[in-house]
Amino acid sequence: AQRVTQPEKLLSVFKGAPVELKCNYSYSGSPELFWYVQYSRQRLQLLLRHISRESIKGFTADLNKGETSFHLKKPFAQEEDSAMYYCALSKETSGSRLTFGEGTQLTVNP
Amino acid sequence: EAEVAQSPRYKITEKSQAVAFWCDPISGHATLYWYRQILGQGPELLVQFQDESVVDDSQLPKDRFSAERLKGVDSTLKIQPAELGDSAMYLCASSLLDLEAFFGQGTRLTVV
Repeated sequence: AQRVTQPEKLLSVFKGAPVELKCNYSYSGSPELFWYVQYSRQRLQLLLRHISRESIKGFTADLNKGETSFHLKKPFAQEEDSAMYYCALSKETSGSRLTFGEGTQLTVNP
Repeated sequence: EAEVAQSPRYKITEKSQAVAFWCDPISGHATLYWYRQILGQGPELLVQFQDESVVDDSQLPKDRFSAERLKGVDSTLKIQPAELGDSAMYLCASSLLDLEAFFGQGTRLTVV
């Protein structure tokens, strides 16, 4: 069975500092990886996904199959980045369910 | 912008009572998901529909939970009887085949 682990429940950084949210996964096949974000009082929404290889709001994530990781990074954190971040895995390329990690609450202090 | 609609937003019910949640996905989205999110945890899939058919309900506690999507559009999730451990956020999501799941605001259930 697949599993997603986010080792940090809470992460606090200062504005302008680099930030890295860790995500490790276990799955024997070739997964698709995602980062979802939930801002205060808003619904859960997709931030970025591995297959798009995009940078969204300055965030990037690289899939490292050797280390089975998909860490989310941003070189200069902003206060508006404060939110709950969830790493998620899908087994297939189309229409498959997401397995979520437990989430990391990021706080960016002024 | 089209959004997934859920109702009610909040529900308080007594243990052993029946409770139901409703979800209206984004128009044209064939895939619909119900997730449960316990406080402090990530969402966990309860059931996945493709049009009106269930494609994954392996994590649905079928002795008390049921879900339907009769016309392949909106969906209802029911719990009967509710237990204290069912207190959670119930999230509905929908997607096309491009994988991005769009989530609703959720229904927060409290069982007392």
